[in-house]
Amino acid sequence: DIQMTQSPSSMSASLGDRVTITCQASQDIGNNLIWFQQKPGKSPRPMIYYGTNLANGVPSRFSGSRSGSDYSLTIRSLESEDLADYHCLQYKQYPYTFGAGTKLELK
Amino acid sequence: QVQLKESGPGLVQSSQTLSLTCIVSGLSLTSNSVHWVRQPPGKGLEWMGAIWSGGSTEYNSGLKSRLSISRDTSKSQVFLKMNSLQTEDTAIYFCTRYFDFWGPGTMVTVSS
Repeated sequence: DIQMTQSPSSMSASLGDRVTITCQASQDIGNNLIWFQQKPGKSPRPMIYYGTNLANGVPSRFSGSRSGSDYSLTIRSLESEDLADYHCLQYKQYPYTFGAGTKLELK
Repeated sequence: QVQLKESGPGLVQSSQTLSLTCIVSGLSLTSNSVHWVRQPPGKGLEWMGAIWSGGSTEYNSGLKSRLSISRDTSKSQVFLKMNSLQTEDTAIYFCTRYFDFWGPGTMVTVSS
């Protein structure tokens, strides 16, 4: 199985900060990665498709990038509505696998 | 618009079989895949398996021996059955159309 190592597991940041969350894939997944945002009691919301493509309706302060086997989700300037859990998912190979998640809180 | 909604028993006894239904609207199951994802309380997401537009299925290897996904296209319903439940199967169970549209999830508690 492909392991997705997500870091950090939790972080606190101030409004206006630049925030970066990373997933490292244990095998080549190409760009077959989705980033999700999940708020308490809600379903996951796709934010970034294919590693770098912004989903419909997602604010432009969110972006996705790739460097080798490392995939990053960046929030350019943190807003209060961005406080949530974030998950990555690889869909290159079965079984599809998620990262362990990152809890983003306010400092 | 596309909507999915899960339904299930809420509480299941240990060693019993879980049966969940995902009712979809606004899409055809013969043109779309539906996946099941679960999330234990306070933990991360786990992909369980999927049924593809042609009716073929894929399962998480860790669950494969206990899991079955099927569908009734005429009723726009997808079914999940998992046997030999243990307390660690306690989770919110989601169905999703290839990760873009999601149901609200249904909580399943396995009691010993």
